Amino acid sequence: DTAVSQTPKYLVTQMGNDKSIKCEQNLGHDTMYWYKQDSKKFLKIMFSYNNKELIINETVPNRFSPKSPDKAHLNLHINSLELGDSAVYFCASSPGQGLGPLHFGNGTRLTVT
Amino acid sequence: DAKTTQPPSMDCAEGRAANLPCNHSTISGNEYVYWYRQIHSQGPQYIIHGLKNNETNEMASLIITEDRKSSTLILPHATLRDTAVYYCIVRPGGGSQGNLIFGKGTKLSVKP
Repeated sequence: DTAVSQTPKYLVTQMGNDKSIKCEQNLGHDTMYWYKQDSKKFLKIMFSYNNKELIINETVPNRFSPKSPDKAHLNLHINSLELGDSAVYFCASSPGQGLGPLHFGNGTRLTVT
Repeated sequence: DAKTTQPPSMDCAEGRAANLPCNHSTISGNEYVYWYRQIHSQGPQYIIHGLKNNETNEMASLIITEDRKSSTLILPHATLRDTAVYYCIVRPGGGSQGNLIFGKGTKLSVKP
């Protein structure tokens, strides 16, 4: 009965490859997010979707493309992976925009070699 | 940029109260104070939030000063499982597009 689940937990790939990370929430929330935590442990928001519509895009390279097939899912596709993309990516959800606490998944550790 | 200031690290003895301070001197009237924690290798976990009144739940208490420029998170009986990085965040409420901006947090080490 995990609230926010991400797959895979670990992802190791080579530069130039394309990869996807999936996220699903079973909380009935309207808003979903992607956060990136770099090696210095800073957590930064990347995207926010509300009812499948993009709300926030925080100057993320266009190699990163979020896709929300329905409000319970927000997947992250990354093209032409670079070494600097290595990080832990967290998916989160909240009841609505600016409403209530965020619930986070346990992260996907991406390593680009 | 994060709008809060926290000490980088703190120690606490197991079983004692852990008091984690946070300074948010530029907080606006419609901004809430949120606290999250991140245990190693896990996603951030919501703890508590408040606007101006003190709040308590099963995890912690939140004390907000009258001028709202600072707050303290209190874990009344810290356990080893409370060792984590604790983040204090200010965020507009009520349907705005505000999102969480995490700072560096306070690394709390609970020691036996």
